[in-house]
Amino acid sequence: AQTVTQSQPEMSVQEAETVTLSCTYDTSESDYYLFWYKQPPSRQMILVIRQEAYKQQNATENRFSVNFQKAAKSFSLKISDSQLGDAAMYFCAYRPLGNTPLVFGKGTRLSVIA
Amino acid sequence: DTGVSQDPRHKITKRGQNVTFRCDPISEHNRLYWYRQTLGQGPEFLTYFQNEAQLEKSRLLSDRFSAERPKGSFSTLEIQRTEQGDSAMYLCASSFLDGRAGSDTQYFGPGTRLTVL
Repeated sequence: AQTVTQSQPEMSVQEAETVTLSCTYDTSESDYYLFWYKQPPSRQMILVIRQEAYKQQNATENRFSVNFQKAAKSFSLKISDSQLGDAAMYFCAYRPLGNTPLVFGKGTRLSVIA
Repeated sequence: DTGVSQDPRHKITKRGQNVTFRCDPISEHNRLYWYRQTLGQGPEFLTYFQNEAQLEKSRLLSDRFSAERPKGSFSTLEIQRTEQGDSAMYLCASSFLDGRAGSDTQYFGPGTRLTVL
């Protein structure tokens, strides 16, 4: 079964600094999708960024970028110029091609210090 | 586009009671998913629909759980004879599949928090 591991239960970053959240996954598939979702306190989960495994180029969305290492099965999220509004739970998720359920990690709680 | 909505946002019930949750997906989304999230964990898949057809159910979905999407629009999730272990956040997500299988992005609702006393 596919699994997603987020080894950092909690992280903190100073406002305007950069932070990297780690994610590794286990799969025997060669084609799949990877996601980072953000879940602010008492608010709904929103998509931060998405990566297709067949694309070698790392995805970027404004201040958010990923480092996708397919051979290492690693998918880290980098947040640049951290803002107070970035404070949230961040979930890494995996989804094989042709399948529908997302498989989530346990999440990393990010605190942003003013 | 108002996003995915869920009702109620919170539900407190006594053990043994039945509860029903509703999810309204984003308009025109043909797929609808239910997940369960317990404290300190990521969401876990329960079931999903494509239009009105329920295509997959997780082993987590015991026979006390039933989900419907009668007209391919909103969906309901019913839990019968609730147990304390059912206490969790129940998340709904929707997506539009148009092309490559698995390529649709899921958008989540705010969730229904269930507390079973």
